[in-house]
Amino acid sequence: EAQVTQNPRYLITVTGKKLTVTCSQNMNHEYMSWYRQDPGLGLRQIYYSMNVEVTDKGDVPEGYKVSRKEKRNFPLILESPSPNQTSLYFCASSLAGASVGETQYFGPGTRLLVL
Amino acid sequence: GESVGLHLPTLSVQEGDNSIINCAYSNSASDYFIWYKQESGKGPQFIIDIRSNMDKRQGQRVTVLLNKTVKHLSLQIAATQPGDSAVYFCADHTSGTYKYIFGTGTRLKVLA
Repeated sequence: EAQVTQNPRYLITVTGKKLTVTCSQNMNHEYMSWYRQDPGLGLRQIYYSMNVEVTDKGDVPEGYKVSRKEKRNFPLILESPSPNQTSLYFCASSLAGASVGETQYFGPGTRLLVL
Repeated sequence: GESVGLHLPTLSVQEGDNSIINCAYSNSASDYFIWYKQESGKGPQFIIDIRSNMDKRQGQRVTVLLNKTVKHLSLQIAATQPGDSAVYFCADHTSGTYKYIFGTGTRLKVLA
């Protein structure tokens, strides 16, 4: 089944404790992206990747890191989480580099609580 | 900054009626638009898209209308069903960029 998977789905952590949220897609998509969703704000893009080893900042990259060593994986790293990073996170992918606009396929989400 | 927004946060419709969800976008250079449906506890799911060289596009029970003059987008759902209850939001994209701008969403409630 074609899908985007994220792990973990739920995570409670404490301020300053490094964490990684994994994202994997099995559709051979080139473009992958991370978003956070907060009430009243909609989805905001954190980072995106046009292909392996090619990443760029979205609108809210502060406090996050990403890497794209393999086409299928795009982990989101919080080196020192803070309470304002408590949010619902979504990973998404699309077939080609998204410069022309394409449908993105979203993962199920990761709900993160930073105490 | 530029943004994509929705006029109504909550829309309640009777089962079987048609639903119309609206969206305004601000970037006149946007040329690709998408509607997503998000059910509780799930990720956004693609419904329908449209490019700026079109005014209307139809899918199964859904139609998207694009008015570039007033920068307005709408999603019409025919014969709304209980399974249509969800949050719907639009997004826009500009060719040459790798970014999407999402609206905040409208919650659709289908009344039995």
